[in-house]
Amino acid sequence: GENVEQHPSTLSVQEGDSAVIKCTYSDSASNYFPWYKQELGKRPQLIIDIRSNVGEKKDQRIAVTLNKTAKHFSLHITETQPEDSAVYFCASRMEYGNKLVFGAGTILRVKS
Amino acid sequence: DTEVTQTPKHLVMGMTNKKSLKCEQHMGHRAMYWYKQKAKKPPELMFVYSYEKLSINESVPSRFSPECPNSSLLNLHLHALQPEDSALYLCASSQTGVSYEQYFGPGTRLTVT
Repeated sequence: GENVEQHPSTLSVQEGDSAVIKCTYSDSASNYFPWYKQELGKRPQLIIDIRSNVGEKKDQRIAVTLNKTAKHFSLHITETQPEDSAVYFCASRMEYGNKLVFGAGTILRVKS
Repeated sequence: DTEVTQTPKHLVMGMTNKKSLKCEQHMGHRAMYWYKQKAKKPPELMFVYSYEKLSINESVPSRFSPECPNSSLLNLHLHALQPEDSALYLCASSQTGVSYEQYFGPGTRLTVT
């Protein structure tokens, strides 16, 4: 079955710096890759997603890149702010399935 | 309405109790999900319903019993749980087909004593 690896497990950055979180997936049939942000005690919230027919997607300070050949995708957050501190999960999903496979998560701490 | 609601928010139950978790969405989504999440871990898929039929059961113990009475409601019936079942139980919903986004509810924090 699909396996998603996520690195790093924790990431500390200074406010204003950039943060990058990387994920690799195993099943070449996967074609949808969402990123969720989960603050303490709250629900996971989708922050950005990408489908396999594009290589990059941006939404203000957040961007996701996808390399289908290498089977990895990354989340980039620029100009980090303290409110970006949370756990971030990547996930993958196959075209005709309902199942999301999550990475282990990254705890991001933005120091002010 | 782009919200998934769950009740109760918190639940404490003994190992001999029977209780139910409820989930509701009014976005017209035809896929609904139950996840279990332990602290600092990713959500673990338990069950998926598609068009009110159970389509995925991730080898969940029979003490968890899902039910989908209609396209807007999803229940999880709990019986004879173990302390290790204590976790955050998340419901989610999505469209089927090309739009994949899963919307999560706020979860039920379950403690089994």
